[in-house]
Amino acid sequence: SQQGEEDPQALSIQEGENATMNCSYKTSINNLQWYRQNSGRGLVHLILIRSNEREKHSGRLRVTLDTSKKSSSLLITASRAADTASYFCATDPYQTGANNLFFGTGTRLTVIP
Amino acid sequence: DTGVSQDPRHKITKRGQNVTFRCDPISEHNRLYWYRQTLGQGPEFLTYFQNEAQLEKSRLLSDRFSAERPKGSFSTLEIQRTEQGDSAMYLCASSWGLAGNYEQYFGPGTRLTVT
Repeated sequence: SQQGEEDPQALSIQEGENATMNCSYKTSINNLQWYRQNSGRGLVHLILIRSNEREKHSGRLRVTLDTSKKSSSLLITASRAADTASYFCATDPYQTGANNLFFGTGTRLTVIP
Repeated sequence: DTGVSQDPRHKITKRGQNVTFRCDPISEHNRLYWYRQTLGQGPEFLTYFQNEAQLEKSRLLSDRFSAERPKGSFSTLEIQRTEQGDSAMYLCASSWGLAGNYEQYFGPGTRLTVT
């Protein structure tokens, strides 16, 4: 399978705390992307990190990528209740060339006000 | 709103009926993707178009499924002789680029329930 696997499957934190989610994958990639999905809504792109990058920031988000370990992490700092959602990592495998994304099963984040 | 739109948002059908979904991508995007998402799972790739050409199909796309993208604009996904296992959220996404690293923009999805 080319799916990423997120860890943990579920995470519950207090507002203001940081949340860290991890993703492991199996094949070489062009890039890895993180998406957020609120209940009943579509997926929203958060951040893309290329295979030659090691870290990337966007607002309160910090993503790291370790291609030697085939793993990535998403850190959300100073969490808010509005961050409650499912978070998916998605890999763009190197060999397809089509930029098809392969998603994991997601981490369900609950931020308690 | 200039995002990806999908129609209908919900569809309930009886087993054996045919259904068709429509996706309107972001206008300047040349790539269009279909995914399927079941409860508790991440989206699974079904097929993708570059302009009007269907370039890749997943093994998940059985011969009961057909997708088109006439003139490289909107796309339709048809499921013939629906089965209860087809019940899922069908997501459409679009992106710009011929190759390289581009994010995909997703529509709200069409939730299909087969009774």
